[in-house]
Amino acid sequence: QSVLTQPPSASGTPGQRVTISCSGSSSNIGSNTVNWYQQLPGTAPKLLIYSNNQRPSGVPDRFSGSKSGTSASLAISGLQSEDEADYYCAAWDDSLNGGVFGGGTKLTVL
Amino acid sequence: QLQLQESGPGLVKPSETLSLTCTVSGGSISSSSYYWGWIRQPPGKGLEWIGSIYYSGSTYYNPSLKSRVTISVDTSKNQFSLKLSSVTAADTAVYYCARQSLRKISSSWYNWFDPWGQGTLVTVSS
Repeated sequence: QSVLTQPPSASGTPGQRVTISCSGSSSNIGSNTVNWYQQLPGTAPKLLIYSNNQRPSGVPDRFSGSKSGTSASLAISGLQSEDEADYYCAAWDDSLNGGVFGGGTKLTVL
Repeated sequence: QLQLQESGPGLVKPSETLSLTCTVSGGSISSSSYYWGWIRQPPGKGLEWIGSIYYSGSTYYNPSLKSRVTISVDTSKNQFSLKLSSVTAADTAVYYCARQSLRKISSSWYNWFDPWGQGTLVTVSS
């Protein structure tokens, strides 16, 4: 049981806009910033969004993040086949005094 | 370009201690801006943060693993290490090391892992 809750799956067609949600509580998302990671099949996770809505250098602006209250969202616009991957949200949890992850969302490009 | 590489045995017997090392290249582990963390992923499952260490030796551990985990740092070798004791089959996972940005600004924690090592699979089996 992950501390942060994500839908197990999401899907979209090429060119479409897809959003993935991440729900937490006042001790994690409600108090701290949210990050998103992309894990392509058979590879290590890669930082996609940090500090709620910041993109590391090299991440396309098709990817965007937002946070409101105790929830966060990752949006992918102009969906491409190479976006098919697992996506994880993460945050610091004040009660656990450590990092927590969501269970991950498997994105399928139809 | 900073790179991290995990190393250690791929097979550990139940009740024994899992030991892994992460070697950092292209940058100094003694940087004052970063922590260094371990994360694991059981086959087919999600990510779990294990713990993190600062170059001075200060640590944070996942409370669910704290009684069995020790993370240490060797600045002379630019390495940090993970020891997980009394392992069971449930500890079978890909273990990743990563550089961690961790800071508190205006009462909010800013925390992310980047970059990550490629990961190493550790299987617990007799």
